[in-house]
Amino acid sequence: GQSLEQPSEVTAVEGAIVQMNCTYQTSGFYGLSWYQQHDGGAPTFLSYNALDGLEETGRFSSFLSRSDSYGYLLLQELQMKDSASYFCAVRDRNTNAGKSTFGDGTTLTVKP
Amino acid sequence: NAGVMQNPRHLVRRRGQEARLRCSPMKGHSHVYWYRQLPEEGLKFMVYLQKENIIDESGMPKERFSAEFPKEGPSILRIQQVVRGDSAAYFCASSPGTAQYGYTFGSGTRLTVV
Repeated sequence: GQSLEQPSEVTAVEGAIVQMNCTYQTSGFYGLSWYQQHDGGAPTFLSYNALDGLEETGRFSSFLSRSDSYGYLLLQELQMKDSASYFCAVRDRNTNAGKSTFGDGTTLTVKP
Repeated sequence: NAGVMQNPRHLVRRRGQEARLRCSPMKGHSHVYWYRQLPEEGLKFMVYLQKENIIDESGMPKERFSAEFPKEGPSILRIQQVVRGDSAAYFCASSPGTAQYGYTFGSGTRLTVV
């Protein structure tokens, strides 16, 4: 099975950098994904790490270390609109389902 | 290209009634996943379907819940004899295959059981 742990809340100020961590236990997965969800909205895919290392997309970067069973999402130049919940997820490799298991999410609050 | 379409957006049912939630995947996507989200919680996997096939229903409660994805038309998540504990947001996601990338989610159906 798969399980993922994320801190429940993070607070940061506008313009700052914030890192949201994700540790996981898995019996096999393709890679680590990150999703953003604003209150009342749909989850939106942000990034995916298939291999160890850093992936960068604009202000967002995501990191994976398979040997440490650990990943993080880094947000730079924080904006008020970044206030949302952020979920990490792994996609199951051990079945033909390809289903994803999600962490419980980190709620990011950006303050002026 | 329309995204994943879910309807209704909001659904209110009395205890004991049936709820039907619909999901039309993105064009070209043949894989549909249903997730349930309780307030302040993460997304919990329910079922994975392809056209006319249930691939994985390991997250579905054994009673009252069923899902289908017919050859024609949307995928349907059906909840019979709803109870208050079924109140949640139900999200549908689709993908073009078992590609190792992300899902595209619909806007969800918020089910409230009164």
